[in-house]
Amino acid sequence: QQPVQSPQAVILREGEDAVINCSSSKALYSVHWYRQKHGEAPVFLMILLKGGEQKGHDKISASFNEKKQQSSLYLTASQLSYSGTYFCGTEDSGTYKYIFGTGTRLKVLA
Amino acid sequence: DAGVIQSPRHEVTEMGQEVTLRCKPISGHNSLFWYRQTMMRGLELLIYFNNNVPIDDSGMPEDRFSAKMPNASFSTLKIQPSEPRDSAVYFCASSSLAGGSYEQYFGPGTRLTVT
Repeated sequence: QQPVQSPQAVILREGEDAVINCSSSKALYSVHWYRQKHGEAPVFLMILLKGGEQKGHDKISASFNEKKQQSSLYLTASQLSYSGTYFCGTEDSGTYKYIFGTGTRLKVLA
Repeated sequence: DAGVIQSPRHEVTEMGQEVTLRCKPISGHNSLFWYRQTMMRGLELLIYFNNNVPIDDSGMPEDRFSAKMPNASFSTLKIQPSEPRDSAVYFCASSSLAGGSYEQYFGPGTRLTVT
């Protein structure tokens, strides 16, 4: 079952914040976040392992709630370069099977 | 490092023809993944190898698809015979086990069009 991301799409003005959610129906070992720009390959952003940790990378951070089988990606003070499609990738804690989420298209306007 | 290398970058072929996609992972990485991306189905994992051994091929759509990894620096994904519904962007990614999980580095992809 593919992890579900919400929202499906979001439009922001430069400097605004956004939250992207990733929900799985299965117990997770890890969650990965990637950004893909149009016509390019996905680029790794960060990994979160089970334990409810939170990570940050510049103005992009993420949390992982193992009990709720959810992860959220936080983009603060968005920049034009943040535009793209964001994917979560989840690793099943039982099988370690890796599945990408449904994706969230994010566009930042000047 | 040059990153993950894929060839060809674009492939146009006719239905029924054999198609072979190639991937060179990042040197030192011991895991390799093949993905297919379409608008309808998103990013799908087809198969992944660990130390050149196929670990999970449950995502391979049909017997028409096959993948090999004869050594640590080369993998192929073959479709025989190809069909129009195979049209997609095929990505190869490689990783090494880091912190207990995989950080994947994607190649530029091969855009396949089957007419």
